Amino acid sequence: DTGVSQNPRHKITKRGQNVTFRCDPISEHNRLYWYRQTLGQGPEFLTYFQNEAQLEKSRLLSDRFSAERPKGSFSTLEIQRTEQGDSAMYLCASSSSGNGYTFGSGTRLTVV
Amino acid sequence: AQSVTQLGSHVSVSEGALVLLRCNYSSSVPPYLFWYVQYPNQGLQLLLKYTTGATLVKGINGFEAEFKKSETSFHLTKPSAHMSDAAEYFCAVSRANDYKLSFGAGTTVTVRA
Repeated sequence: DTGVSQNPRHKITKRGQNVTFRCDPISEHNRLYWYRQTLGQGPEFLTYFQNEAQLEKSRLLSDRFSAERPKGSFSTLEIQRTEQGDSAMYLCASSSSGNGYTFGSGTRLTVV
Repeated sequence: AQSVTQLGSHVSVSEGALVLLRCNYSSSVPPYLFWYVQYPNQGLQLLLKYTTGATLVKGINGFEAEFKKSETSFHLTKPSAHMSDAAEYFCAVSRANDYKLSFGAGTTVTVRA
């Protein structure tokens, strides 16, 4: 069990560019979650997957955001046409039924 | 809908003193309640959780919390603060052990020598 891995740890991008983040969950966990955390706030739920199915999306997830989990393994979160308001820590977590969450260390996005 | 209110965005305590972090929740279903700790530029680490059963929950690093349904509260305590307890603490609520979490805004703890 190597934990939940997120890459990259930090990303600086220019406004208008597209960015993609990757999350590798704990291998036996069937659920995977994405959260966004802005400075001084608690994490906010974005979306979650059970295996490869995306079961719920927050209203925070605008049309510029898309998440995938092909084959129910790793997941990617893409932000198109980034805006300064997208600057945040993006956290991934995984879980299995009957067990709680394990969070990754996050990807910090800075849009300049 | 579920939500959490953490009273006090900053708490400062002396080393060896009691740590008390307050959390009140709102939930239309029996809640699952969690406390997480976050160190700078790191992810969230679970301190403890309440699912069902005993209302006094013991966690890691000497922390404990008590679920009080009548007060809709889940306050976190530690009898004696250590310098390593300086971090940000988040209370969260969910409707299940592995469903989405609703977090409070967090409480930053500083420990004075």
